[in-house]
Amino acid sequence: NAGVMQNPRHLVRRRGQEARLRCSPMKGHSHVYWYRQLPEEGLKFMVYLQKENIIDESGMPKERFSAEFPKEGPSILRIQQVVRGDSAAYFCASSPIGQENTGELFFGEGSRLTVL
Amino acid sequence: AQKITQTQPGMFVQEKEAVTLDCTYDTSDQSYGLFWYKQPSSGEMIFLIYQGSYDEQNATEGRYSLNFQKARKSANLVISASQLGDSAMYFCAMRGYQKVTFGTGTKLQVIP
Repeated sequence: NAGVMQNPRHLVRRRGQEARLRCSPMKGHSHVYWYRQLPEEGLKFMVYLQKENIIDESGMPKERFSAEFPKEGPSILRIQQVVRGDSAAYFCASSPIGQENTGELFFGEGSRLTVL
Repeated sequence: AQKITQTQPGMFVQEKEAVTLDCTYDTSDQSYGLFWYKQPSSGEMIFLIYQGSYDEQNATEGRYSLNFQKARKSANLVISASQLGDSAMYFCAMRGYQKVTFGTGTKLQVIP
C-alpha cells in the first residue's frame, strides 16, 4: 500500500517559469491538503481539496498559484511566473473519507522548489 | 478560527532523560484532533501521536505520550528516555472542521 507520492522531489526553475507539483494521495483517500514550508519555518496551510472540489483555499496567494484535484489523476499545485520567494518545500498530505475532523494526515516527502 | 501555539523555539535534553514539548491550542470546534509530527533534518514529516478531543485517556505510542488537558487547551508531547535520533523539529497540529493548522515548531536537540 503505497504512501502519498509527490513528484518531483526537487525542482529548479528560473524566475518567470512555471512550476507544477504533483501529489498522488494514498489509495482510498479523497482529501488532499497542500502546505508550504519556508526554510527554518513551520508549515503554512495553502489549500484543501476533495476530488473535483476546492474546499478551502484561504492560504493560497491570490495570484500565480492554483490547485486542482481531478476525478482521475494526481492533485496538481501550479505556480506561474515563479519568483525567488517561492523557493520552499511544498508538502502534500491526504486523509481518507469520513475523517474530516479527526484522524492523522499522511504526508508525502515533499517537493523542494528552488527558483534561481 | 483555530490556532496552535508552540512557545519553545528550541529545547535541549540530555540523552536518556525525559522532555516535554509544549503546545496550546484554540478552537471553536466541538470535535477536533491533536497531533504531533517529527521532522528530522532529512525533511520528511513523521506522524508520532494522535489525540481526539473526546478521548478520555491520554494517548501513548511507545516512548511518546500526549498530555492532554482539555480545560487548559493544552496538548504537550512527552518523550521519555530521549535518544540521539530524537533530535529534530517537532510540530503540534490540530484538525478541526475542514482545516488542519500547524504550530511553528520546536527544535529539540538531544545531548550525549
